[in-house]
Amino acid sequence: NAGVTQTPKFRILKIGQSMTLQCAQDMNHNYMYWYRQDPGMGLKLIYYSVGAGITDKGEVPNGYNVSRSTTEDFPLRLELAAPSQTSVYFCASTLGLAGINTGELFFGEGSRLTVL
Amino acid sequence: ILNVEQSPQSLHVQEGDSTNFTCSFPSSNFYALHWYRWETAKSPEALFVMTLNGDEKKKGRISATLNTKEGYSYLYIKGSQPEDSATYLCATHSGAGSYQLTFGKGTKLSVIP
Repeated sequence: NAGVTQTPKFRILKIGQSMTLQCAQDMNHNYMYWYRQDPGMGLKLIYYSVGAGITDKGEVPNGYNVSRSTTEDFPLRLELAAPSQTSVYFCASTLGLAGINTGELFFGEGSRLTVL
Repeated sequence: ILNVEQSPQSLHVQEGDSTNFTCSFPSSNFYALHWYRWETAKSPEALFVMTLNGDEKKKGRISATLNTKEGYSYLYIKGSQPEDSATYLCATHSGAGSYQLTFGKGTKLSVIP
């Protein structure tokens, strides 16, 4: 029972490099999220998706892109890495609140990214 | 962007003490309020998701109440234990039916043995 799986767990990038953070869930959740966590700032929403083919910007989307071609996968792409993107990134998913669903988010273990 | 405020930012309590902290959120267009427990070096884990005004939920020694009319929720921990040390996050949706979830900055609880 994998839940939400994020890779890689750690990565160091040089300024201007690109990379993709992978996120996959095996719970058939419609809703998926990417958050970043900076010290003292809590979790900031980058992008979210309400289903395959549908994505929307959160609070801090600049410098990132996402896609949702399948229900299971929600990758986050950094095109031109900048030091301001040094952070811990969390992917999360939920079934939502409809019917008997409780709406709780299930989080991945996080990906620590450093841009030098 | 919603303004979700949590207080206090941090607190230290002695083992065995009971404690509580607050989450404030906009009362208009309310949908649901979430509480999460976040231990250091781990991922946040859900405690409660609450939708109804006046709702009270309980899990072991931890309970939460919700007031959607005035826009606040309290989280209570009875008889704090060292294993309760964590950051407690609340989050709410940006509107009825919306799945854009905004988190507060959290309350960091340290329980001193």
